[in-house]
Amino acid sequence: GDSVTQMEGPVTLSEEAFLTINCTYTATGYPSLFWYVQYPGEGLQLLLKATKADDKGSNKGFEATYRKETTSFHLEKGSVQVSDSAVYFCALARYGNKLVFGAGTILRVKS
Amino acid sequence: DVKVTQSSRYLVKRTGEKVFLECVQDMDHENMFWYRQDPGLGLRLIYFSYDVKMKEKGDIPEGYSVSREKKERFSLILESASTNQTSMYLCASSSPPGGSDTQYFGPGTRLTVL
Repeated sequence: GDSVTQMEGPVTLSEEAFLTINCTYTATGYPSLFWYVQYPGEGLQLLLKATKADDKGSNKGFEATYRKETTSFHLEKGSVQVSDSAVYFCALARYGNKLVFGAGTILRVKS
Repeated sequence: DVKVTQSSRYLVKRTGEKVFLECVQDMDHENMFWYRQDPGLGLRLIYFSYDVKMKEKGDIPEGYSVSREKKERFSLILESASTNQTSMYLCASSSPPGGSDTQYFGPGTRLTVL
């Protein structure tokens, strides 16, 4: 069945460091791909998404490119801030809007 | 601003109790979902609904049921709570297929079963 694998955390970075969180997927067809973020004590918020191969999603300085060849959707940010500390979830959409999530990656940014 | 609300942020119940978790959305969305979130497992789909009175099992429905009597409200029911149902429960809603596939989440209910 469909599945999402993302790198284990926690990832600890200093402020202004470059961030990469790896995400790969297994799916039938070409699903939409998402990154959601969960700040402490809150629900999930959509960070960015891509709906077809080679699409790049971007928001708040974060980017991810839908790579069909490598079945990947890695999240990147050039310069992280303390306020980016959160849990990041990669997900794909199955038929009928149902989402399959990765296990989540905790990001901690130190000042 | 879009909004999904859940009835409680924290809940403590005893083994064997019947538990109701309520979710309300104000976006006139057809689709609603219940997930549980556990460390290292991400979010797993319990039940979902595409319309009033409709429900479908997700990936882990055992021990749960749902009710959708009104479009804006989707309830998760634990018929007889057990300690392995201690978890964070998240509700979400979205437009029907063909519309945006973005799901909007509530803040979550952290349920502890003693």
